Amino acid sequence: LAKTTQPISMDSYEGQEVNITCSHNNIATNDYITWYQQFPSQGPRFIIQGYKTKVTNEVASLFIPADRKSSTLSLPRVSLSDTAVYYCQRDTGRRALTFGSGTRLQVQP
Amino acid sequence: DTEVTQTPKHLVMGMTNKKSLKCEQHMGHRAMYWYKQKAKKPPELMFVYSYEKLSINESVPSRFSPECPNSSLLNLHLHALQPEDSALYLCASSQTQGQGAGEAFFGQGTRLTVV
Repeated sequence: LAKTTQPISMDSYEGQEVNITCSHNNIATNDYITWYQQFPSQGPRFIIQGYKTKVTNEVASLFIPADRKSSTLSLPRVSLSDTAVYYCQRDTGRRALTFGSGTRLQVQP
Repeated sequence: DTEVTQTPKHLVMGMTNKKSLKCEQHMGHRAMYWYKQKAKKPPELMFVYSYEKLSINESVPSRFSPECPNSSLLNLHLHALQPEDSALYLCASSQTQGQGAGEAFFGQGTRLTVV
């Protein structure tokens, strides 16, 4: 089973950097790691995808160590509008886009 | 156009009704997906179509019947549903189904209530 493990919830304050770690101990050689954000009653929205080392785009960074058994989504300087559920996902091809349990991020003023 | 459009946004149906959910994308994506999401739970994969052929059926009950009439459209036909089938149904698309295919685009979902 393409299982990932994330913290259930996290709290932060506006302006802080938030790091959400996902564990995927049995990741396969060809698997990619993708992160999605979801607001209530909306579809998930792609944040970032990576295979190894570091990937950065305009909204986030993704760090994947050499052993690839975990990954960390980094959100710089969060705002209230970043309050959402964040999903770590293993892109395994056949079981593509199977979501983990998600992390509820609450950003306080 | 980077949108996945789902209709209707809300649907209430009785247990003996037949209804259909529709999903449309015009991004040229060749993989399309149906998910079911219950409150405070992650989306659960139901079906995957790749190049208009059913690629994955995650042991979904036969009262849910997917259809992909062409590369832009995906339907989910509903018949004899149960109240526990009430959920948010999400459609998504991506360039291909393969690993590292990049981002998937999701629609806003159809909120289904079975009475």
